[in-house]
Amino acid sequence: IVMTQSPDSLTVSLGERTTINCKSSQSVSNSSNNKKYLAWYQQKPGQPPKLLIYGASTRESGVPDRFSGSGSGTDFTLTISSLQAEDVAVYFCHQYYTTPWTFGQGTKVEIK
Amino acid sequence: QVQLVQSGSELKKPGASVKVSCKASGYTSTSYALNWVRQAPGQGLEWMGWINTNTGSPTYAQGFRGRFVFSLDTSVTTTYLQIDSLKAEDSAIYYCATSPPRGAFDSWGQGTMVTVSS
Repeated sequence: IVMTQSPDSLTVSLGERTTINCKSSQSVSNSSNNKKYLAWYQQKPGQPPKLLIYGASTRESGVPDRFSGSGSGTDFTLTISSLQAEDVAVYFCHQYYTTPWTFGQGTKVEIK
Repeated sequence: QVQLVQSGSELKKPGASVKVSCKASGYTSTSYALNWVRQAPGQGLEWMGWINTNTGSPTYAQGFRGRFVFSLDTSVTTTYLQIDSLKAEDSAIYYCATSPPRGAFDSWGQGTMVTVSS
């Protein structure tokens, strides 16, 4: 499954809303159990990725509530409701519906 | 919370082998996946495969069959990635990451940089 993110990069003012899109080449949702096999990660320079969202919309423990995820089927979105300086990072989506697990190419978020 | 601690950076010559370790602590589940992920310089994330920590059975993604070997030492809760016949294009950061058998990668090691250069 090919994961395509958009945009590749964006520059946002502090406090602004940020939206990152992720599209899969085939559905990563299971209608029989209503599960969505889509995660979002944040990677800051020199650090490993950090899990933010799993199941398309469930925040990992400790993740600020300004991060939210939505979507189903083939189209998903990560939203940062009010960008903070510490949110500067590259964000990746990831499908774990079918192997090989695959990642989007990443979206770089910078401060304007 | 699971902690994964990887071995340090490696500098190897083409044709050599390297073995990267990933030691886990704090995991409460008896069965989880230990995944390996490659990140080439300035690039994205590529899943290499996983090893079942309960059975020791490895699964390799296409493109990582042959020169790449995952192994497990349960006595020291450590998983290993060995890469044989190293090539320049193997230069990357290699991460280990845990997940439920079919789930998101919830804990990551700090990464091990492998540089292949003559």
